[in-house]
Amino acid sequence: AAGVIQSPRHLIKEKRETATLKCYPIPRHDTVYWYQQGPGQDPQFLISFYEKMQSDKGSIPDRFSAQQFSDYHSELNMSSLELGDSALYFCASSSGGNQPQHFGDGTRLSIL
Amino acid sequence: KNQVEQSPQSLIILEGKNCTLQCNYTVSPFSNLRWYKQDTGRGPVSLTIMTFSENTKSNGRYTATLDADTKQSSLHITASQLSDSASYICVVRYSSASKIIFGSGTRLSIRP
Repeated sequence: AAGVIQSPRHLIKEKRETATLKCYPIPRHDTVYWYQQGPGQDPQFLISFYEKMQSDKGSIPDRFSAQQFSDYHSELNMSSLELGDSALYFCASSSGGNQPQHFGDGTRLSIL
Repeated sequence: KNQVEQSPQSLIILEGKNCTLQCNYTVSPFSNLRWYKQDTGRGPVSLTIMTFSENTKSNGRYTATLDADTKQSSLHITASQLSDSASYICVVRYSSASKIIFGSGTRLSIRP
């Protein structure tokens, strides 16, 4: 069965650069969630989208933005990257706000 | 104070033994509670989901319980296997919202 696809799997950037992470949800899933998991930490909810509209916002820094496109894929745009942004970024999708979230394998972002 | 607290933080048991992981929450209003298994560097995988009206649910060797009155849940693993070594995360969802709260997880190690 198709799962949530995230790209790239690994990304290395330098401070003050920008990065774009992509998430392709499971077909027919209309809700996408982004999470950030720092080394040894719990995943932290960043932001979610339902039907291309932002549905909830968590601890997403102002330097980050995200959107969901007409094909339901989502992109997380990160600017002015800082060392502390080094983390595993997970995307999850569901077929509604109260349905199970299916997680991708994440994008590991390393800031040098 | 964390809204979802898990204990113990880490646990080491011998292969074949049983164990029980705890999750206490203060999230209100409550919608549901999920237990996830997360292998290192991978996305969390849902094990069980418990709603307000359910107090026990099994998934193979995993059995989750929920006491909505005391706001406590447990995950019992029977006949542990080496592949059970992972972090087990309790996730609680607010009702009528897409926001969820992650517990800090229990890191379980199974020794041969």
